[in-house]
Amino acid sequence: DVKVTQSSRYLVKRTGEKVFLECVQDMDHENMFWYRQDPGLGLRLIYFSYDVKMKEKGDIPEGYSVSREKKERFSLILESASTNQTSMYLCASSLWSVNYNSPLHFGNGTRLTVT
Amino acid sequence: DAKTTQPNSMESNEEEPVHLPCNHSTISGTDYIHWYRQLPSQGPEYVIHGLTSNVNNRMASLAIAEDRKSSTLILHRATLRDAAVYYCILRDVGKTSYDKVIFGPGTSLSVIP
Repeated sequence: DVKVTQSSRYLVKRTGEKVFLECVQDMDHENMFWYRQDPGLGLRLIYFSYDVKMKEKGDIPEGYSVSREKKERFSLILESASTNQTSMYLCASSLWSVNYNSPLHFGNGTRLTVT
Repeated sequence: DAKTTQPNSMESNEEEPVHLPCNHSTISGTDYIHWYRQLPSQGPEYVIHGLTSNVNNRMASLAIAEDRKSSTLILHRATLRDAAVYYCILRDVGKTSYDKVIFGPGTSLSVIP
């Protein structure tokens, strides 16, 4: 089975801190994604990556950056955390094939609280 | 980006079939229809996907309209463990690995004992 592991289940940070959320997948997937989920708003795409060192903005990239130095790891960075970034963060990965549409596999999420 | 619309919430009685609708009127010829569900306190999990033909797996069935502008996820016999938020999304078949995957708010399914 595919495993997508997010480094922390719960995280509490102070306003202004630099925050790193780590995500690792073990299936050699090309594509990786970061979403945030807030009540009533569903999953919103922050950034995605379709190859090592490649990244693209999603719908809400402001206040975030990402890093993908190795294929299995995709990091979400909050340069200066703010209280409005308190949320559930979900990482996902997917295989890419020109002939087949592969499902997304999600981690269990990191609940970040910024105080 | 192609979008989908779903009802905000639905209810079903336990052990009865559930039909969850999804509209995707702007679907392109290379978009697959995917369904995911999210149980409380978990990340979303894959349920089923299809392109044109109806699909069945151990979790559910997917019925796709002939014009592909709508689809229905069918849970044949709802259980309390099926209470979740169900998401219908579109994904291009992928001539390149560029893959911007957008989720909507989904349908919150309640199952009544």
